[in-house]
Amino acid sequence: AAGVIQSPRHLIKEKRETATLKCYPIPRHDTVYWYQQGPGQDPQFLISFYEKMQSDKGSIPDRFSAQQFSDYHSELNMSSLELGDSALYFCASSSGTSSANEQFFGPGTRLTVL
Amino acid sequence: GQQVMQIPQYQHVQEGEDFTTYCNSSTTLSNIQWYKQRPGGHPVFLIQLVKSGEVKKQKRLTFQFGEAKKNSSLHITATQTTDVGTYFCAGTLNAGGTSYGKLTFGQGTILTVHP
Repeated sequence: AAGVIQSPRHLIKEKRETATLKCYPIPRHDTVYWYQQGPGQDPQFLISFYEKMQSDKGSIPDRFSAQQFSDYHSELNMSSLELGDSALYFCASSSGTSSANEQFFGPGTRLTVL
Repeated sequence: GQQVMQIPQYQHVQEGEDFTTYCNSSTTLSNIQWYKQRPGGHPVFLIQLVKSGEVKKQKRLTFQFGEAKKNSSLHITATQTTDVGTYFCAGTLNAGGTSYGKLTFGQGTILTVHP
C-alpha cells in the first residue's frame, strides 16, 4: 500500500539559509500535518492543512511557512535557519472523513543546520 | 507546558516480563492514540481509543482509556525483543469541524528488552 512520501530524507544547511521540505500524502488523504521532533523528544505539532486550507497552527516559528497544493502535497518552507532547527520533520496524512482519524506518518526529513 | 504527561521515561525489562506505560492529560481528551517509534524510524499508529472506559486488546497489548478521558495506559504482557522502541500516547485536545485536529504527544516511554 502507498505510504506518505517525504523528500528529501536528509538535508544539510548552513545557518541563515533556507530549506524546503516536501510531503506527498497517501492517495485520497485530504489532511496533512507537520511535526518537528528534536533529539530524544516527542513530536511537536507545527501546522496542518485540510482541503488545501490551513486548519490548525501550533508552535511554528514565523520564519516557517507551509502550504498544501491542489494535488494535496504539502511543502514546509523554512527561512533564516538556526542551529536549533536541526530536527526530524515528519509529515502525516489522514482522511478527514475517517472516524478513526489515524495519522499515517512519513519517514521524515532529517534537517541538520551547521 | 506539556499538556500530556507520560511515565516512565525509560523502562528496562527482561524478556518475558510485563511492561506498562501511563499517560495523563491536564484536559479532557476527545480521543487518544498510541504510536510506536523504533530507533531511527517514524511513529507507527497502534490504536485509537475514543470512549470513556474503553479497553482494547491487540495480541499481547492492552490499551485502556480512563473514565474521565484524561488518562490512558498501554500494557504489554510477556515482552519480546521485538517490542523495543519508544511508545507515545497522543491526544486530540480539540476536535472541531471536519478536521480532527492536531495530536499532542506525551514525552514517550523508551522500552528496552534484555534477552
